[in-house]
Amino acid sequence: KQEVTQIPAALSVPEGENLVLNCSFTDSAIYNLQWFRQDPGKGLTSLLLIQSSQREQTSGRLNASLDKSSGRSTLYIAASQPGDSATYLCAVPPGDNFNKFYFGSGTKLNVKP
Amino acid sequence: GAGVSQSPRYKVAKRGQDVALRCDPISGHVSLFWYQQALGQGPEFLTYFQNEAQLDKSGLPSDRFFAERPEGSVSTLKIQRTQQEDSAVYLCASSLAGGFTGELFFGEGSRLTVL
Repeated sequence: KQEVTQIPAALSVPEGENLVLNCSFTDSAIYNLQWFRQDPGKGLTSLLLIQSSQREQTSGRLNASLDKSSGRSTLYIAASQPGDSATYLCAVPPGDNFNKFYFGSGTKLNVKP
Repeated sequence: GAGVSQSPRYKVAKRGQDVALRCDPISGHVSLFWYQQALGQGPEFLTYFQNEAQLDKSGLPSDRFFAERPEGSVSTLKIQRTQQEDSAVYLCASSLAGGFTGELFFGEGSRLTVL
């Protein structure tokens, strides 16, 4: 079974800071990895999807990297804003079942004005 | 539709009642997923459909849980004889192409509270 771990569980930073969220997974034979954002009481919003052949993916102030061999992905947020406050989750399907995504427990981010 | 729509958003049930949760995926999306999210945890896989075929139901916690997607569009997750441990947010997601390359789009979830 794919095990997904996200560190830290919670993070509080002042506005403007650059920050890194970490995701590690045990089965490195993956097809892709997806990062999501979840606001309180809401569903998940897709941020970035990295295919297994890619090393990184960028969208605006967000950059996600993928190192399959070490079972790690990082989400880099540049110049953080209070509106970035949310829980960030990564999801990975295992190599033998690409339709069964496993999620980490998330990193709860608070960006202080 | 513009996004994945779920109803009801909130459901309170007495222990032992049956509940039905509805998911309306994005139009044209082949794949549909149900996830269960407990408070403070990441979502956990319940079941997956490709069109009307339920290809994986390995995550359903017991035979009290049943899901269907009879016409390959709207899906219903049914929970019979609800128990307190069934209290959670039930999330539905759809994807154009499935997990291989497809991006997942989630609804806002149905929050079930069993008293």
